[in-house]
Formats: sequence, C-alpha cells, structure tokens
Amino acid sequence: KAGVTQTPRYLIKTRGQQVTLSCSPISGHRSVSWYQQTPGQGLQFLFEYFSETQRNKGNFPGRFSGRQFSNSRSEMNVSTLELGDSALYLCASSFFTGVAYNEQFFGPGTRLTVL
Amino acid sequence: GQQVMQIPQYQHVQEGEDFTTYCNSSTTLSNIQWYKQRPGGHPVFLIQLVKSGEVKKQKRLTFQFGEAKKNSSLHITATQTTDVGTYFCAGPIDEKLTFGTGTRLTIIP
Repeated sequence: KAGVTQTPRYLIKTRGQQVTLSCSPISGHRSVSWYQQTPGQGLQFLFEYFSETQRNKGNFPGRFSGRQFSNSRSEMNVSTLELGDSALYLCASSFFTGVAYNEQFFGPGTRLTVL
Repeated sequence: GQQVMQIPQYQHVQEGEDFTTYCNSSTTLSNIQWYKQRPGGHPVFLIQLVKSGEVKKQKRLTFQFGEAKKNSSLHITATQTTDVGTYFCAGPIDEKLTFGTGTRLTIIP
C-alpha cells in the first residue's frame, strides 16, 4: 500500500506571498491532519479533515486554511507568508473510527522556507 | 502552548546504556501514542496505550501508561545506534492530537 505523499517537498517563498501544499493520504483513510514542526515549538496541530469537513482546528491565525476533496486528498494554504512560517509541514492520515485517534501515518513533509 | 511535556529534552547515552523518556499531560488522556522521528525523517508510529497502568513491550522498548492516565514513559534497554532519533508522545486533548515536546536521543558509539 502506498504511503502518504506530500508535494512539493521543498519550497522557498518570500514574505507576503501565499503557498499551497498538497497531501494524498493512504488509500482508504478519510482523516487527514496537518502539523507544523519547528525546532522551537515542536509539532503543532493545524487542522484535521474528515470526509471533506474540518473536524478540528489548532491555534493558528486565519492565514492558515485547508480543505479536503472527495477523494480524501487535502490541501493547506498559507496566505501573506511571514518569516515565522518557515517550518516543516507534515500531513498525516489515519483510519478514523469516530471514537478516538488511531495511528497517524505521516508523509515526508514539505519544507517551507520564507525569505 | 504545549500541554504535554516530555523530559528530558535531550539525552546522550553510550551505546548499550538504557534510556528513558517521560511524558506528562496537564489533563487525563483517553489514550497515549508514541512516535519516533529519525533525523531528517518524519514521525513513525510506535504504539498506542489505552488502559490505566498498561505496560507494553516491543523487543527492547517498554511503554507504560500511568494509573491516572496523565503520564507515560518509554524505556529502551541496551540502546543501539539505530535508536537515534526524537521520541514523541501524543494524546488527544480537546479532540486534537497533541504532541509532547519530544526527547532527542543521541548515541555515543
């Protein structure tokens, strides 16, 4: 079974620009979560989607948004990039049962650098 | 801010020594998961604990979930160079999977 894929793997942007990251979950997984990983803040939850609906959102500004398509693929968008947005953005999919969080399968991440 | 803390933040051990990382939550958790992230890699699921006082073993790794379901530990016996990486615990808080601060393990050959 193919793993979680994320594109692009690396991205360099300048302040003020916007960026869209893509995530394809493992086949059959309908839950997709996004995390931001930085050396100072660790792994921070951004949001989770299930069946095209946002289930939860972390404590990030409105510049961070996402969506999920009918095939469970997900995208996240960051508008008006700031230097502090430089991070590794990880996507994880899981077989959500609606009761509790199951094993999260992470993708390789997108390394975003904002100059 | 972070509601799941891990200690220590860093641990350097000689190959063959034991290693333990501790995870503490500000609130009771319904379950706790552990992940390992190798340098340059992404987190990989190790195990999930659900029951109060639960202990699970995977070869040289022993995982415990506290009686109050607010803390957990991971113990590695006789570390090997392949154990290098950052170990994270994670638990659902306010329906969001919240990751601990992580413990970075380095091995001195």
